[in-house]
Amino acid sequence: ETGVTQTPRHLVMGMTNKKSLKCEQHLGHNAMYWYKQSAKKPLELMFVYSLEERVENNSVPSRFSPECPNSSHLFLHLHTLQPEDSALYLCASSQGPPGGGFYTGELFFGEGSRLTVL
Amino acid sequence: RKEVEQDPGPFNVPEGATVAFNCTYSNSASQSFFWYRQDCRKEPKLLMSVYSSGNEDGRFTAQLNRASQYISLLIRDSKLSDSATYLCVVNGYAGNMLTFGGGTRLMVKP
Repeated sequence: ETGVTQTPRHLVMGMTNKKSLKCEQHLGHNAMYWYKQSAKKPLELMFVYSLEERVENNSVPSRFSPECPNSSHLFLHLHTLQPEDSALYLCASSQGPPGGGFYTGELFFGEGSRLTVL
Repeated sequence: RKEVEQDPGPFNVPEGATVAFNCTYSNSASQSFFWYRQDCRKEPKLLMSVYSSGNEDGRFTAQLNRASQYISLLIRDSKLSDSATYLCVVNGYAGNMLTFGGGTRLMVKP
């Protein structure tokens, strides 16, 4: 059983809907990430939180909005998505240095939320 | 040029074969290198880190060539269960984040 759980596992939504993806990590890590995995493309880093502070990623459209209420939970709020946003969204966590920042060692991934936008 | 580049494959090999994958990276300042494995419709999982002197874990051997900026993964005595996509991962981009290659798909046949 993975130490990072994501819900829902599958989501179908229309372009005008608002939905949220949820991620919870049970590993005591202090950094959490959202990645996007599209067919035939590398994993794309979307957002990073370290000690609940967000690293800005200007390349992600504003229709994706992350939220990190505490070090164990991460959300990705979705609104007015486009069909090309259909992909597997993976949450991950890692243990960074105590003072914050990112440890570039092992990432622990959840099983992903497969999103289809109609 | 892609930051981390891999041959997508697929590599189709018989059981027992030896297979090698290469990965090239563009950032000469990168310091950390990894191979992840991703099974079909599953999440990526760390297979092994790659150290400067090269390292081995059972049937798997990883090598780093800093001068040519590539890393390699060698799998000996392939098993059916080795069938998966192997992701090359390098740090040092965008604030020291980990950057993933597109993956190399391996299919081991009986």
